[in-house]
Order: sequence, then C-alpha cells, then structure tokens
Amino acid sequence: DQQVKQNSPSLSVQEGRISILNCDYTNSMFDYFLWYKKYPAEGPTFLISISSIKDKNEDGRFTVFLNKSAKHLSLHIVPSQPGDSAVYFCAASRNTNAGKSTFGDGTTLTVKP
Amino acid sequence: DTEVTQTPKHLVMGMTNKKSLKCEQHMGHRAMYWYKQKAKKPPELMFVYSYEKLSINESVPSRFSPECPNSSLLNLHLHALQPEDSALYLCASSQGYDLGSYEQYFGPGTRLTVT
Repeated sequence: DQQVKQNSPSLSVQEGRISILNCDYTNSMFDYFLWYKKYPAEGPTFLISISSIKDKNEDGRFTVFLNKSAKHLSLHIVPSQPGDSAVYFCAASRNTNAGKSTFGDGTTLTVKP
Repeated sequence: DTEVTQTPKHLVMGMTNKKSLKCEQHMGHRAMYWYKQKAKKPPELMFVYSYEKLSINESVPSRFSPECPNSSLLNLHLHALQPEDSALYLCASSQGYDLGSYEQYFGPGTRLTVT
C-alpha cells in the first residue's frame, strides 16, 4: 500500500511560467508534509514543508498548498527557472513514528529556456 | 556548517568483502538516517538513530549493520552483500522529531556496486 503518491512521473514547463507538482496521500494520520528536490548524483535537498494544521506555506518562489479533506498537496514554483529542473519528492511524516518519512515516487520537472 | 558528508563517494566490493560507509554531520542534529535508493525510485528507509540509539530498523538484512559511535557520526558496515544491494546509499540527519522537526538534510550518497 503506497501511502504517498505522485501520479505524474514527469512535467515540462516553459521558463517563467508556473510549475505545479502534485501529491496525494492516503493516511490521514500524517501531520507533516515535505518537498525535496534532487539533482542527479546528489542527495535530496529539503525545499519546503507544511504542518497538517496549515493549508499554505510560502517561501520565495515556492508555495505548498495542503487540502486535508482531499488528502492532497501541491507545490507551486513561480516563476519557474531552468535551474529548477530536477526530481521532486513529496514526503509525509507522523510525530508518533520516530520521524520516519514516507516518500512518493518523485516527479521529474524540466523547465525549458 | 550545514553539511552532511559521506565517504567514500564510490565503492566497488565483492560479495565476500567487508566494508564500511561513513557519514558525518556537525549541525548538532540528534537523529540520523540510512537510506537506500535505486535508480528512478524514492529513497527507501533502512535505519533511524535517535540520540545515538537505534529507533527504527526497517527489517533490513543482517548483512547491513549500522553503528552510531557518537552524535555526529553514523557508520554502515557491509558484509557478504549481494549484487542486488548495488544502489546509492544516502545518509541524512535532522534536528530530532521529538523537537517537532522533520526536515532531513541529506549527504551526497555513496554509490555502491557489488560484483
């Protein structure tokens, strides 16, 4: 049972436009959600997070939205830049599970100049 | 210092060899993690150490043996591995889930090839 799903394996966007990456989860007990970015041959880099008690968190060009009733979160990147091209992982955690994060399969974002 | 370092970057070992992977962080983080990542797959949790004690073992085969000598260091001892264990091994750290902090900081990984 995959508890965190990223249904789009890839996304291609023009530079300057908005990138929207989506993530769905099945476990309503998750209380923290995170996005990581990964370049080839590097470890994932933490990008932005959101607590389950909030519905939006913004950090510069990156905004994460959480819809608890739909068990859905999304990452918006505005404006998209070629350097944003990477694999984006959505992850979810529970505070009663020793900090274990469950990762989605990732979405490869390509931003075209 | 906001970095997690891992050594070696690459490792090739035979199925009868014994080797170790090393991970270090100097951010004062109290939780450290080992992940295994195969190509085009998400990181797969192996072990979690919290305050230098093993808190999660995700049913990892005993040919993988973790060790946390102190709060800054994490080792993964490898023995009698199989070719299917070839993967990128990632170390990560976080401030501590008991502090409400879940963001993990990853090292660059060790690319392991078992021949």
